[in-house]
This record gives sequence, C-alpha cells and structure tokens, in this order.
Amino acid sequence: SQQGEEDPQALSIQEGENATMNCSYKTSINNLQWYRQNSGRGLVHLILIRSNEREKHSGRLRVTLDTSKKSSSLLITASRAADTASYFCAPGGKLIFGQGTELSVKP
Amino acid sequence: DTAVSQTPKYLVTQMGNDKSIKCEQNLGHDTMYWYKQDSKKFLKIMFSYNNKELIINETVPNRFSPKSPDKAHLNLHINSLELGDSAVYFCASSQGNPSGYYEQYFGPGTRLTVT
Repeated sequence: SQQGEEDPQALSIQEGENATMNCSYKTSINNLQWYRQNSGRGLVHLILIRSNEREKHSGRLRVTLDTSKKSSSLLITASRAADTASYFCAPGGKLIFGQGTELSVKP
Repeated sequence: DTAVSQTPKYLVTQMGNDKSIKCEQNLGHDTMYWYKQDSKKFLKIMFSYNNKELIINETVPNRFSPKSPDKAHLNLHINSLELGDSAVYFCASSQGNPSGYYEQYFGPGTRLTVT
C-alpha cells in the first residue's frame, strides 16, 4: 500500500485565482482519486482518474495524471471562498491518504 | 437523508475507559471502513469490512476491535483508552471492495478526546 504526498502543504490565494495542487506517489497504480475535506467534516469524493487517462475535467476542476512521473495535479479554476478546504489524493487500491493540501481562498 | 452516519459526534472520556463508536450507511454498499485522522491531518485506514468480513486490518493495537453485525453497520470498540487515541475517527463506505475504483462516502467523523 502507498499514500500520496500532496504538495504544497498549504496554499493561500485570492478569490478568482486558480489553485494547483500536486500529488506524488511511489508505485504503479490503476487509478487515482481526489477528495476534499471541509473543516470538521468527512471527505467528499471529487474525481477519479484512471491510469490510461491523462486529463479529466469536472466543472471547475481539472485533474492530470502522469504515470511516468508518478504524479497527479488538481487545478481549481476561478476559485471561490467556498473552495477553502483540505484536498487529498489517494493513489491506487487501498485509498491511503496523506496529509493533504490546505487551501485557503480569501474573498 | 444521511448516507453515512456516526454516533456520537463528540466523545470525551478518561484514560483507561472503554468506548464504542457506531456507524451506519444507508447506501446499500458492500464495504465499510474505519479511518483515524490525527492532529496533523494524516488520515490512516484502520479496518475494512466487505459483506461483514474483515478484509483490511492495518497495524492497529489490539485494543481496537471492529464489529460488523450486518452490511450496513460497522462499529468500533476501543478498550483501555490512551491519550494517543485522541483523534477524529471517520467511517466510510464504498460500493465494491477497496480496489480504488469505487469512491468512498465518508461519515461526519467522531472527535474522540481522551483526558
């Protein structure tokens, strides 16, 4: 089993800006998931990307996956204050989560 | 309707006590999980049950014992609580086995404080 390592650990931006978070992992995977955690709440699934996909979109979210570099990125475009949360990646099968990226979007 | 519910939401207790946390899901999922999130936000899987059978049992002290009376319920019993057990415990469920192909639905968490 492996966990994803999110980078940066914390990110602070202004509303309307784009936010990019990265995830690195160590062994080959079939898929990777991204989750969001609002303060004091459980995780909410955002998107799943399979190993044969390079990019996936969902609303203002864009996820990329580079299996050769063993990394993924999550881009949130036109961020809003409501996007303030921690974001976790979960590579592979066992859904081991790391420490997350804490995103703060200031109005 | 709440998909994954946990009780209690907060639990404050003294060292040495025994306590239980209950989890129920009404999604019809086959697999349920317990996670522990520490103060640094690391979220670690503890146990997973698929159709009432234990399929994941990470390195967790024997003081922690999960029980799944049926597919919709997964309870966590903790004996002889220690200060280090203070954390937020999350229950989750997914449609299929933990292959990573299925998204997980998380409960609201139970904040356990051991004094």
